[in-house]
This record gives sequence, C-alpha cells and structure tokens, in this order.
Amino acid sequence: EAGVTQFPSHSVIEKGQTVTLRCDPISGHDNLYWYRRVMGKEIKFLLHFVKESKQDESGMPNNRFLAERTGGTYSTLKVQPAELEDSGVYFCASSQDLGAGRGYEQYFGPGTRLTVT
Amino acid sequence: GESVGLHLPTLSVQEGDNSIINCAYSNSASDYFIWYKQESGKGPQFIIDIRSNMDKRQGQRVTVLLNKTVKHLSLQIAATQPGDSAVYFCAERTYGQNFVFGPGTRLSVLP
Repeated sequence: EAGVTQFPSHSVIEKGQTVTLRCDPISGHDNLYWYRRVMGKEIKFLLHFVKESKQDESGMPNNRFLAERTGGTYSTLKVQPAELEDSGVYFCASSQDLGAGRGYEQYFGPGTRLTVT
Repeated sequence: GESVGLHLPTLSVQEGDNSIINCAYSNSASDYFIWYKQESGKGPQFIIDIRSNMDKRQGQRVTVLLNKTVKHLSLQIAATQPGDSAVYFCAERTYGQNFVFGPGTRLSVLP
C-alpha cells in the first residue's frame, strides 16, 4: 500500500512569491491533515479535512494560506504571498475514521521543506 | 524531507541499554496519546498509542506509561539499537479536537 506522498520535497522561493504544496493521502482515508514545523520547534496543526470539507482550520496562521481538497482526494496548500516566517517543513497526514473508541492513527508524509528567502 | 532541529533536548544511551523518553502534556482533558518517531528526511512514524483509561501499554520493545495525575507520558525502549536513533515526539488529543505535539527529544544511540 502506498503511503502519504507530498510534492515537492523541497521548495525555495523569494519573499512575495507563491508556492503550492501538494499532498496525496493514503487511498480511502477520509481524514487529511496539514501540519507545519518551524525549525527547532514543535509540529503545529494547521487544518483538518474530512473528505472535501474543512473540519477544523483553526491552526491556519493567516489568510495568506489557502488549503483545498477538491473531490476529497489530494489536497493543496497554497501560500500567497510567501513571507520569511513561512519557512519550515509542511507535513501532511491522513487517517481512517474508525469511529468512537478506535484509534486515530495518522500516517504522515515525508514533508515539504519550504525556504523563503 | 527534513533534517531534524539542532536544539532539541538530547538523550544519549549506549547500544543495548534501555531508553526512557519523557513528555509533559498540557491538557488534563486529553484522552488519547501517541508517540511518534521521526528519522532525518522522513515524516513522523507512529510507534505506539495509549488511551486515558489505561496507564500502561506495551508493544514490541516499547512501553508507554501514562500518569494522568501529573500529566506525564513516557516512552521506554528496551535494548536500544542504532536504528532507534531519531527524534521522538509525543502528541496529545482531546476528543473532538486535534493533536498537539510536544517539542521532541533527540535519541542518540552510542556504539
């Protein structure tokens, strides 16, 4: 079974430019999450999709970030315009919905390292 | 991919010894906890989980202990091997909310 994949693995852009990150979850996983880790700090939740709907976007830092999951399959995270503080590693994770009382194991992708110069 | 942060707390253990990695969590209402392992260039990988109605759970070479009184979680790795070298994160979740991750601990296994 293929795991969570992310593209690109690394992106270097200038301040003010736009970048779009892509995540392909494990097939059949309705739940898709975006996280961000700024170097040396903890992994922070950004948002959670259930199928194509945004379940929780409380972690999105500001309106320069836009996430979509059209059709409930892959997801994109666009940063426009990028700022220096957006640099970090962006992780995507997916999970099945196993119902109450079951585990909520999230499978993470390898991450996209974003560097804004 | 990612190379792990340079300023994480570090635990160094001799190969073959047992490792204990600790985590203090923040929310007394958290009901589910996970330990993740992150190797350089990879995303976090699930190791073991525990629910708040348990205080101990064992896996293969790993044991998670939960002390709700002091909001403390630990991961014990038996007979630590070089392949265990990584950054370890705990994550807590309150029902209906999303996971909150700890800062991570770097485990370094010495030959």
